[in-house]
Amino acid sequence: GNSVTQMEGPVTLSEEAFLTINCTYTATGYPSLFWYVQYPGEGLQLLLKATKADDKGSNKGFEATYRKETTSFHLEKGSVQVSDSAVYFCAPTFSDTGNQFYFGTGTSLTVIP
Amino acid sequence: NAGVTQTPKFRVLKTGQSMTLLCAQDMNHEYMYWYRQDPGMGLRLIHYSVGEGTTAKGEVPDGYNVSRLKKQNFLLGLESAAPSQTSVYFCASSTGNNQPQHFGDGTRLSIL
Repeated sequence: GNSVTQMEGPVTLSEEAFLTINCTYTATGYPSLFWYVQYPGEGLQLLLKATKADDKGSNKGFEATYRKETTSFHLEKGSVQVSDSAVYFCAPTFSDTGNQFYFGTGTSLTVIP
Repeated sequence: NAGVTQTPKFRVLKTGQSMTLLCAQDMNHEYMYWYRQDPGMGLRLIHYSVGEGTTAKGEVPDGYNVSRLKKQNFLLGLESAAPSQTSVYFCASSTGNNQPQHFGDGTRLSIL
C-alpha cells in the first residue's frame, strides 16, 4: 500500500548549519511530492513540489529532489536561519487514492542564534 | 486577500454538544478539505469536496458531517462531540487534484 515516512524530530540546529529532513514513501505508482511548512499558530503553506522523477523543487533556499530509485524526497537547506524554525511536512499524493495528500508526521525544526 | 478563513479560532465544548465549523475561501477553488491535526500523527483527512453540492469521506470521517451548499463555503459539523475529537482542525482548498492546497489558520477545539 501507500505510505510516507518522515524523519522524526525535534531537530535543533545552530544558525547557518546544514539541514536535511528525510522523507521516504512507498507507492504502487509514481506520486507527486510536496513539502509543506507550518509556522507557529498558522496553517500549512506549500514550500516546494516535484511531480516526476529527477525533478528538483526549490524555494526560499530549500531544495528537494524526486528520487524514484530510492523513493525519497529529502528536504535540504545549506544555511538555516532562525526564521526557518517551523514544522515541516512531507506530503505525497497517490493516484490510486484520488490524488489525496498523505501527510507525514511532521518534523519540528528549531534554529538557535 | 483573505485566502482561506476558518471560524471560530477556538472553542470549548462539553461532551454531547454539537457545533459547526465554517470554512470560507475567496479564491474560487473547486476542491475543499477538512483535516484534523493531532500530536505525532500529521494531518488526517476527514472529508473533502470536489465541487459545490458534492462531498466525500476521507480517512477519518466517523463522527463528522459536512456540507458544501456554496462553492466558497465548506462546513464541518459535529453532531455529538466526544473527547476523542479534541484536536486542531484545518480547512484547505485547491484548484483540483494533485494541486497545492491553501490552508486556513486552524480551529483549536477542546471537548471536555
